[in-house]
Amino acid sequence: NAGVTQTPKFQVLKTGQSMTLQCAQDMNHEYMSWYRQDPGMGLRLIHYSVGAGITDQGEVPNGYNVSRSTTEDFPLRLLSAAPSQTSVYFCASKELAYSYEQYFGPGTRLTVT
Amino acid sequence: GESVGLHLPTLSVQEGDNSIINCAYSNSASDYFIWYKQESGKGPQFIIDIRSNMDKRQGQRVTVLLNKTVKHLSLQIAATQPGDSAVYFCAENPGNTGKLIFGQGTTLQVKP
Repeated sequence: NAGVTQTPKFQVLKTGQSMTLQCAQDMNHEYMSWYRQDPGMGLRLIHYSVGAGITDQGEVPNGYNVSRSTTEDFPLRLLSAAPSQTSVYFCASKELAYSYEQYFGPGTRLTVT
Repeated sequence: GESVGLHLPTLSVQEGDNSIINCAYSNSASDYFIWYKQESGKGPQFIIDIRSNMDKRQGQRVTVLLNKTVKHLSLQIAATQPGDSAVYFCAENPGNTGKLIFGQGTTLQVKP
């Protein structure tokens, strides 16, 4: 049982480039979410999903897209990277939409130059 | 707006002492609170939670206290160990949304 996995662990992008951060969980959790973490700040919710085919916006969704075609995977796409998107990104999952204990992945450190 | 904050950015304690990490929240509708621990280079890890109908909850070496009157949450760690060194976040669920709002975090440093 690997839990929540994220790839890549580190990534450097140039402004304007696109990329996808991968997230997968093997716990059959319905709820998955993406957060970003910036220095001196807590985690801020970007997008979340309560099940396959369903996604919704969090606090800071601009510049990011998500899709949820399977229960296991929840990729985060940056269509045109900007320096303001330099951050550490965490994916998390939990059992049900209204179960609160979230399990976090190890994070992806993204730098946009 | 909604916000969750911690009173101190860094807390330094002696090994073996008790630690108290504080958190203030602003949303009266929040019905659930969680404390997470984040070690360097890792994702947050669940420590303990408490529902709004409780004042206190105890785990192994940790206790969470909730004071709804002043919208204050605290995490107490007994006999602090070097392995407790990390950043601690409180998070709240504002009104059964399933989403969590995180505070800024307090860094706990344990001196040997």
